[in-house]
Amino acid sequence: AQSVAQPEDQVNVAEGNPLTVKCTYSVSGNPYLFWYVQYPNRGLQFLLKYITGDNLVKGSYGFEAEFNKSQTSFHLKKPSALVSDSALYFCAVRVRNNDMRFGAGTRLTVKP
Amino acid sequence: NAGVTQTPKFQVLKTGQSMTLQCAQDMNHEYMSWYRQDPGMGLRLIHYSVGAGITDQGEVPNGYNVSRSTTEDFPLRLLSAAPSQTSVYFCASSYTSGGSGADTQYFGPGTRLTVL
Repeated sequence: AQSVAQPEDQVNVAEGNPLTVKCTYSVSGNPYLFWYVQYPNRGLQFLLKYITGDNLVKGSYGFEAEFNKSQTSFHLKKPSALVSDSALYFCAVRVRNNDMRFGAGTRLTVKP
Repeated sequence: NAGVTQTPKFQVLKTGQSMTLQCAQDMNHEYMSWYRQDPGMGLRLIHYSVGAGITDQGEVPNGYNVSRSTTEDFPLRLLSAAPSQTSVYFCASSYTSGGSGADTQYFGPGTRLTVL
């Protein structure tokens, strides 16, 4: 089935350290991949996307993601985590023109 | 711009009752969608629309109806509420990338629905 997987329910990092939130995908053809963030009691906010072009995509709030076709991955990264980055992160893939599939989410906690 | 708005914010229903969740957007987006969010399952697509008069089913459409009479509005109807429909519901809208499909989505604040 076409989908995305987020293998970690929870990621904990110390403030100032680099962070990685993992995502792998399974889709036929060229993938359209997205990362969204959700703060408590809020809707999702767009962070970045990969459609085509450079494998390293830069997005909002200093986040970036690397598309790796051979490993079918699209991991979210940030060089230096902030406490305010603590939130729920979702990876998503477009499986047909208008059908979006989201991962189960990864809760990121950044400790001071 | 208000973006994507949803009403109500909270709702409690009894089993068997019907109701409509409202969604509106003021960005002139062709694409609109409804998701439900359940713990540990992420967001699952219920229905979507690519323009006025055009709707289609997503991953979990059973028990829900939609219609799209205008570009701005995309209501979600629960025909006969069941406890399994207790969830947080999000509406989203998107421009379409060169007519080839949904792109970056903008989400509403959500409706928390409890069915007793």
